[in-house]
Amino acid sequence: EVQLVESGGGLVQPGRSLRLTCAASGFTFNDYAMHWVRQAPGKGLEWVSGISWKSANIGYADSVKGRFTISRDNAKNSLYLQMNSLRAEDTALYYCAKDLSGTFDTWGRGTMVTVSS
Amino acid sequence: DIVMTQTPLSSPVTLGQPASISCRSSQSLVHSDGNTYLSWLQQRPGQPPRLLIYKISNRFSGVPDRFSGSGAGTDFTLKISRVEAEDVGVYYCMQVTQYPLTFGGGTKVEIK
Repeated sequence: EVQLVESGGGLVQPGRSLRLTCAASGFTFNDYAMHWVRQAPGKGLEWVSGISWKSANIGYADSVKGRFTISRDNAKNSLYLQMNSLRAEDTALYYCAKDLSGTFDTWGRGTMVTVSS
Repeated sequence: DIVMTQTPLSSPVTLGQPASISCRSSQSLVHSDGNTYLSWLQQRPGQPPRLLIYKISNRFSGVPDRFSGSGAGTDFTLKISRVEAEDVGVYYCMQVTQYPLTFGGGTKVEIK
């Protein structure tokens, strides 16, 4: 069964850092690009960042550029999101998603990040 | 950035009746490879998003055939031929043609 499981969320003070992990199983992880998408409470979906299968192509939303870093470890079937200088507006449920040639066919259940003092 | 505009914001529908959602992009979604990377997602209450339609009109595995997608260029439509109770939720269009990837604001489908 294809599965994505996010972890690493929690309550963090503004300005601090957090690292999210997405553990993939049930498919050949290093064959696919991967993405992070977030959803603030009661709001819509916002793409955060994406990374190609070999990490050669990486993109970020303007709202996180310079603060967040996406990476992957294909040997560990894992996707990461390093989040620095966190702000209140980064509070959201963070999903990882698998990119099936230009569409997001598999989503995790998300990990909640709350930025508050 | 490509802006995705969905209408309506909310769609109250009678069970068994059709529903239609429109999505318009601020620029063409035709990629240099000739594909149009426009997808439709469904998000039921308390659930992660689920892929329904990809590349405008291709139904994803396991998606009922009452869901269909159409359109081209900058104008796209998702249709539900006969709404069922399990279709309640928020529907999003999204484009994967160009970074940054963008989503529509969502359309809430509810039962009258």
